[in-house]
Amino acid sequence: GAGVSQSPSNKVTEKGKDVELRCDPISGHTALYWYRQSLGQGLEFLIYFQGNSAPDKSGLPSDRFSAERTGGSVSTLTIQRTQQEDSAVYLCASSLAETSYEQYFGPGTRLTVT
Amino acid sequence: DQQVKQNSPSLSVQEGRISILNCDYTNSMFDYFLWYKKYPAEGPTFLISISSIKDKNEDGRFTVFLNKSAKHLSLHIVPSQPGDSAVYFCAAERSQGNLIFGKGTKLSVKP
Repeated sequence: GAGVSQSPSNKVTEKGKDVELRCDPISGHTALYWYRQSLGQGLEFLIYFQGNSAPDKSGLPSDRFSAERTGGSVSTLTIQRTQQEDSAVYLCASSLAETSYEQYFGPGTRLTVT
Repeated sequence: DQQVKQNSPSLSVQEGRISILNCDYTNSMFDYFLWYKKYPAEGPTFLISISSIKDKNEDGRFTVFLNKSAKHLSLHIVPSQPGDSAVYFCAAERSQGNLIFGKGTKLSVKP
C-alpha cells in the first residue's frame, strides 16, 4: 500500500519568505508527526497530532512555525519569515494510535533558505 | 542537553561479523526505546523496539539489549550484511508520540 508522502521533495526559498510543506499520511493512521533534521543532527521532534485531540506542539522552535491537520488526514507545516537556520530536512511520519513508537516516515522535504 | 546520545558517529564491520551499536540516555522515566534505520534520501524505517520493563528483544538478526541501571542500550546485528549499511538512530519515547532521537551512527558493512 501507499506510504507517507511529502511534497515538495525540495524547496529553495529566500530569507523572509513563507513556505508550506505538505504531508499525506498512511490511510488509517490517526497519529501524525513532524520532525526536522539539520545537518549532522538527529531528528528533532516538532509537533504531534492524534485524532481530534489538541496537538502536542512542544517541539515547535518559534512562533514562526505552525502546523494544521485537516479532516484528520493531510497536514501542512508552515514556516513564516524563513531564516537561514530553518534550512533542514523536514520529515513527516504517521502511526496507529496504539503503537506511537512505531512511526512510518515519508522521504522528507529538503528546505534551503538562501 | 542531549537526552539520547550515540557517541560513535560511524562503525565499520566486515560482512558476516557482529555489529554492535550503542546508545546512552539520561532520563530513567523513558518507557520505550527504539532503533530506526535510515538510507540516504529516504525517511527512517522502524527496526525494533524494547519496553523499559524488558532487558532484551530479538527479531531475526537484530537484538536490542537494555541495561536500565547503566541507562544504556545496544543493537546487535548478527550476521552483518552489506545491505545493513545505513545510519542507525536510537530513540526514546518521552511521552506518547514524542520521540527523542540520537544523532545516529553510520554503519558500513564491507563485503
